Amino acid sequence: AQRVTQPEKLLSVFKGAPVELKCNYSYSGSPELFWYVQYSRQRLQLLLRHISRESIKGFTADLNKGETSFHLKKPFAQEEDSAMYYCALKGNTGFQKLVFGTGTRLLVSP
Amino acid sequence: DAGITQSPRHKVTETGTPVTLRCHQTENHRYMYWYRQDPGHGLRLIHYSYGVKDTDKGEVSDGYSVSRSKTEDFLLTLESATSSQTSVYFCAISTGSLNEQYFGPGTRLTVT
Repeated sequence: AQRVTQPEKLLSVFKGAPVELKCNYSYSGSPELFWYVQYSRQRLQLLLRHISRESIKGFTADLNKGETSFHLKKPFAQEEDSAMYYCALKGNTGFQKLVFGTGTRLLVSP
Repeated sequence: DAGITQSPRHKVTETGTPVTLRCHQTENHRYMYWYRQDPGHGLRLIHYSYGVKDTDKGEVSDGYSVSRSKTEDFLLTLESATSSQTSVYFCAISTGSLNEQYFGPGTRLTVT
């Protein structure tokens, strides 16, 4: 079964502090992992996908197959980073369905 | 925004009434999805479609039906709305090439 776990419902940091949003997954094959972000009352937007190994808005995420994790990191948080963040997984077989975690709300205070 | 719109954006309805939500896309993508978003549950897949008249159930499909008679439209129907269906509903499309999904703006549904 595919499962995504985001253990923190809320992460509160001060501006300029480092941020790490945790994501662990359960999947027996080679998954594709994504991070989506949702700013207040807006639609979900794709932030990162692991196959691209890119940095968007200063965020990076590395797939660690040994620890089955895909944590999202940013060295210096900004107030505009405050949002809901969802980790999502797609398996490598079958239909193109994504399984989402329950989300972590990031609050960056001045 | 990948040309995805949802209508209505907000709706309040009474228990027991049928409700239909519409998702419209302008780019002829094959795959379309309906999710509901609830606190503590994240996004859960209700139904999805992989082509005209080709649909299947997701993890929380009870009480919902869908139809896709045209590539651009994917309709979600609550046959008899209940208070537990109060939620924010998101439509999504997948381009198929990189497997990521793009989301519509959402519909906030309140069942009283």
